[in-house]
Amino acid sequence: SQTIHQWPATLVQPVGSPLSLECTVEGTSNPNLYWYRQAAGRGLQLLFYSIGIDQISSEVPQNLSASRPQDRQFILSSKKLLLSDSGFYLCAWSVKPYEQYFGPGTRLTVT
Amino acid sequence: TQLLEQSPQFLSIQEGENLTVYCNSSSVFSSLQWYRQEPGEGPVLLVTVVTGGEVKKLKRLTFQFGDARKDSSLHITAAQPGDTGLYLCAVQGAQKLVFGQGTRLTINP
Repeated sequence: SQTIHQWPATLVQPVGSPLSLECTVEGTSNPNLYWYRQAAGRGLQLLFYSIGIDQISSEVPQNLSASRPQDRQFILSSKKLLLSDSGFYLCAWSVKPYEQYFGPGTRLTVT
Repeated sequence: TQLLEQSPQFLSIQEGENLTVYCNSSSVFSSLQWYRQEPGEGPVLLVTVVTGGEVKKLKRLTFQFGDARKDSSLHITAAQPGDTGLYLCAVQGAQKLVFGQGTRLTINP
C-alpha cells in the first residue's frame, strides 16, 4: 500500500531563517506530487506541483521554492522566511489525475 | 472569483440532526471529489463522482453530482461528533485539483 511521509511535524523558525520541508512517498512510482499551504483551517492554496523528477510548476510567486531530486521525494525550501509564510503545509501525491492523497502536514510558525 | 463556491462556510449543529452542504460552480466538470479534513491532519478523500445525477453513499453520508455536472451536495444523516471537520470539494484542472474554500462543520454532543 502507498504511504506518504512529511517531516518535521511542527517547526518554529525566526524571520529570515531558511526552511526545508521534506515529503516522501512509498509504494508507488512516478506519482504527481504537490505542495499546498493552508491558513487558519480554510481552503488549500496550491504552491507547487511536479509531474516528474526536476519538473516543477509554480502556482504562486513567493519566496518559496520546490525541488524533486528523486522520483518519490519532494522538498519545499526557502532562503529567508517571512512572517506570512506561517501556516500548515501539506504534501500530496496522485496517480489518477483527480484523486490526491495527503500527508499528515507540517505546522510552521514563523516568529 | 472562486471556481468552486462552498456553502455554508460554517455550520454548527447538534448530534443527531441532518445537514446538507453544497459545492457550486458555473463551469461543467468531468468529475468532482469530496474530502474531509480533521484538525491538524491532511484531507482524506471521501468520494469521487463522475456522472451527472450520480448518487453515492458512504454510511451516513450521501453525495450527489448535479445533472449538469456543475454542482454537488453532501448530505449527512444523524450527524455524530466524529463528523466534525472541514469538508472540501475539488475538481480536476490540468495536472492538479482546484479546491473550494470548504465548509467547517461542528457537531455538538
